This record gives sequence, C-alpha cells and structure tokens, in this order.
Amino acid sequence: GAVVSQHPSRVICKSGTSVKIECRSLDFQATTMFWYRQFPKQSLMLMATSNEGSKATYEQGVEKDKFLINHASLTLSTLTVTSAHPEDSSFYICSAGVGISGNTIYFGEGSWLTVV
Amino acid sequence: AQKVTQAQTEISVVEKEDVTLDCVYETRDTTYYLFWYKQPPSGELVFLIRRNSFDEQNEISGRYSWNFQKSTSSFNFTITASQVVDSAVYFCALRSNAGNMLTFGGGTRLMVKP
Repeated sequence: GAVVSQHPSRVICKSGTSVKIECRSLDFQATTMFWYRQFPKQSLMLMATSNEGSKATYEQGVEKDKFLINHASLTLSTLTVTSAHPEDSSFYICSAGVGISGNTIYFGEGSWLTVV
Repeated sequence: AQKVTQAQTEISVVEKEDVTLDCVYETRDTTYYLFWYKQPPSGELVFLIRRNSFDEQNEISGRYSWNFQKSTSSFNFTITASQVVDSAVYFCALRSNAGNMLTFGGGTRLMVKP
C-alpha cells in the first residue's frame, strides 16, 4: 500500500545550525503534504501545508522564515529548521493523503530533533 | 473552527480489563471524517480507523470497537480485554471534507499493567 517515508528519524544538531527533514511519498503522488510538530507529552499541531510547486501555507504562530518548506516534486517535501534553538527540539511528522475526499491519510515515521 | 476533545489525559488499567477512550468533536461541516491513531513510544502514528460522518454504524475489529454518536458528537473507542501491548497514546482526529489536514485531540495515554 501507499507509504510515506521520513528521514532522518533522529537528528541532533548544534544551536544555530540548520537541519533538513525529508518527507517522501513512496508509491503515490502527493500535491499536498502536511507538517506537524509534537512537543513531549502533547498533541500534534499542524505547522504548515506544503504545496507542490507553490509556497507553503503556514498556521498562525509558525515562523515561515524559521521553518522553510520546499515541495519541489510530487513525491518530496522538505522541512528545514533554520538557526535551530533548543526550544525547537521536538518530534516532527509529515502526512500526505491520497485523493481529495474520503481518502486515506498516511503519516511518515516522524523525526526526533534535538538541538543542543 | 474544528475542535477535538479527549477529556481523559491518562488511563491506567490492569490487563484483561475493558477500557473506553472518549472523544468529542466540534465542527460546522456537514461532511467530515473521524480517525483514531495509536502512537507507541517510538513515535509513529498507527492508523486504527476512519469513519465518515454519514456512516453511523458502529464498528468492531477484533478487540477494538468504536461507537459513533452523531447526536452527541462523540466517537468513543473501546478496547476489550486489554493487553500490555495496548499501552500507548491514542489520538482522536477530525478532518473536514476540504483538505487533508487533521485536527487532533490532546491524546489519551493508556497504561495497561500486567
């Protein structure tokens, strides 16, 4: 069946550096992908909607210059956390859906980011 | 605006007990979709069920069952004869008919003790 793959699953980076997380749809094309963030013991919050070939749509309170999203192809969206700070340490997970309505939503495995 | 409320933040049961996880939602959409996901400690989201708003039939899958009550905007999840492997955080989520983004509830941490 359709699968969404995320890489890396875990990453540790130093404060001030940037880190890129990839989200790939493996056997289907996804014109739209979604990025969520989950702090420890909290729920998943939508950060942004990644649109293939156009700018991402960010949720209120999410800094677009800090969380750069690129959706250059129908199977790949990337989230880059720029100038990372310890408070950016979180679990980031992407999702993609097949079809427009009544569809199935697939999630990636998630990426644990630790900024030291 | 959409909202999903999971009033139980943590539940602890002893193995073989039945447990029900509550989910109440708010939406102005007439067509919408409800989901349950299981999140083990590793973090990935395991899809359990999707229910359309126009299908109020309850569903049973093995030890899992779901009770969808549109009149009370609830979509509760029951695990029968719980097992230690059921220990995880469970999320209820809502999706409108437009777009594929999900609104998640706060999650319920289920601990099943042997």
